[in-house]
Amino acid sequence: DIQMTQSPSSLSASVGDRVTITCRASQSISSYLNWYQQQPGKAPKLLIYAASNLQSGVPSRFSGSGSGTEFTLTISSLQPEDFATYYCQQSYSTPRTFGQGTKLEIK
Amino acid sequence: QVQLVESGGGLVKPGGSLRLSCAASGFTFSDYYMSWIRQAPGKGLEWVSYISSSSTYTNYGDSVKGRFTISRDNAKNSLYLQMNSLRAEDTAVYYCARDSNSGWYQSDYWGQGTLVTVSS
Repeated sequence: DIQMTQSPSSLSASVGDRVTITCRASQSISSYLNWYQQQPGKAPKLLIYAASNLQSGVPSRFSGSGSGTEFTLTISSLQPEDFATYYCQQSYSTPRTFGQGTKLEIK
Repeated sequence: QVQLVESGGGLVKPGGSLRLSCAASGFTFSDYYMSWIRQAPGKGLEWVSYISSSSTYTNYGDSVKGRFTISRDNAKNSLYLQMNSLRAEDTAVYYCARDSNSGWYQSDYWGQGTLVTVSS
């Protein structure tokens, strides 16, 4: 199985900050990397697919990059509604494993 | 608009069975692969299973293989997860999700989830 490792596991930041979350795969997954946002008590929401493609309706302050084994999610200017948990997922092979999550908290 | 509504969760004893359902609307259900993903209380996301649009292909995570069965009824726009030999570690919120047709296999729409609790 492909292991996905996110860093950091938690992050404190302020409104307006630029933040970056990293996701590493245990083997190459080409660009089969997705990012999800989960608010407490809610279902996950797709933000980015195929490493860098913004899902329809997602604000442009979210961006993704990378290929192979290393990927990043960047939020260019944090808004209050962005404080949530973020998960990466590889969809290169089954099982479609997720990272352990990164909890983004208000500083 | 795309809607996915799960049902069938509840409290079940270890070793018991439960069948989850997911009612889909707002899109042509028979055109899409569908998945189940779960989340144990306070934990991260775990992919459980997927099924192809015409039920030809299915796949399961190692932790549920041989105990869970995914199925669908395209005439009823419904997805199912039959869960047998349930264990305490199966306790989780179970989400159904639509897999995009983009070729990248991302889950682009999710239901609100249904809670399964396995406890004596």
